Amino acid sequence: TQLLKQSPQFLSIQEGENLTVYCNSSSVFSSLQWYRQEPGEGPVLLVTVVTGGEVKKLKRLTFQFGDARKDSSLHITAAQTGDTGLYLCAGVGAGKSTFGDGTTLTVKP
Amino acid sequence: DAGVIQSPRHEVTEMGQEVTLRCKPISGHNSLFWYRQTMMRGLELLIYFNNNVPIDDSGMPEDRFSAKMPNASFSTLKIQPSEPRDSAVYFCASRLGVSGETQYFGPGTRLLVL
Repeated sequence: TQLLKQSPQFLSIQEGENLTVYCNSSSVFSSLQWYRQEPGEGPVLLVTVVTGGEVKKLKRLTFQFGDARKDSSLHITAAQTGDTGLYLCAGVGAGKSTFGDGTTLTVKP
Repeated sequence: DAGVIQSPRHEVTEMGQEVTLRCKPISGHNSLFWYRQTMMRGLELLIYFNNNVPIDDSGMPEDRFSAKMPNASFSTLKIQPSEPRDSAVYFCASRLGVSGETQYFGPGTRLLVL
């Protein structure tokens, strides 16, 4: 059973387009994290959101934590080829992280 | 800082052989995690340690898997005997703190069991 479900699983877009990735769960987490993973490397943390309804911006990336702290979204504005990678959400609770099934993003030039 | 160090980076072995994966966490970090990543199951937590003590090993698949952390700067994950279904990328991560702080991942060990 996947506690955290991401959608879409795969996304292929042209450079300059906008996109949104969703992370949904039936569980409540104390915080939620987003990671990006490039081929041959480990995941790298992008952001941690803690408060229900919280919105954080990291340059062209906007992260939102749902009011009930069960879901989150990642919006990328004007995607670039360097945004290509696997995006993972992770719910944090009881000292550990539970990862979603991932969204593979390909940004074409 | 060198980051989390894992060795070997690649391992090819035959079914039935023992496999030992190694991890050196970031100096000063007090939590260490072992994950396994496959296309089918994604990134799964196998076990994590806090101050060298195993806290949660509920993700360890079966008795063939064991993990140790003899000191704050070294951990091993052992598979004995290995099976083809163990083929995956195994990641080690470390963290300073006990909850939502940043986990830093190593580059992973790509294991192929023939």
